[in-house]
Amino acid sequence: GAGVSQSPRYKVAKRGQDVALRCDPISGHVSLFWYQQALGQGPEFLTYFQNEAQLDKSGLPSDRFFAERPEGSVSTLKIQRTQQEDSAVYLCASSLGTGNTEAFFGQGTRLTVV
Amino acid sequence: RKEVEQDPGPFNVPEGATVAFNCTYSNSASQSFFWYRQDCRKEPKLLMSVYSSGNEDGRFTAQLNRASQYISLLIRDSKLSDSATYLCVVNMWTGNQFYFGTGTSLTVIP
Repeated sequence: GAGVSQSPRYKVAKRGQDVALRCDPISGHVSLFWYQQALGQGPEFLTYFQNEAQLDKSGLPSDRFFAERPEGSVSTLKIQRTQQEDSAVYLCASSLGTGNTEAFFGQGTRLTVV
Repeated sequence: RKEVEQDPGPFNVPEGATVAFNCTYSNSASQSFFWYRQDCRKEPKLLMSVYSSGNEDGRFTAQLNRASQYISLLIRDSKLSDSATYLCVVNMWTGNQFYFGTGTSLTVIP
């Protein structure tokens, strides 16, 4: 596709439910990032992949959060046993390389935990 | 302390005004700098990269002061369509994370 695609766009989950959020980066982009954005805040870094390797997961808030990118393309962010504080927009971004290259964002998945 | 600090605003300015946003970053190892724009309920999009010598793109001018770890964005002749949140972003090549500020909200008033 022409841009970064995320699905679903909206997700309502009951507290305790597991959710999986998908990101399709721009074809050929090496780097992939996941961010969490709460209302009125800037995006907060969660994790970073270079191809299939998860090089940094220091931003994942708890061990309930897990991300993978097994073939170096599509990535999935999984949240187990969702809590109300997990409600946020989850943004995926990709970039062609590393360093001084622009990151392109998907439209995000708005997760609401009730 | 957050990696990137911004004044959240809001900034409410009349059409045609000049407005400036500032941003500071904490890690001197930061190597790349950007301003992103985010419209309400939309994803962030690159407005411009920020180069050491400063750079201009139409009505927008970005400046970087490495000694003070300070980045600025100047918007001249504000348009209604400039209303958005402006995010200051830094990237450290060693880890390649993009760190975002909280964003500065701008509303241009007719």
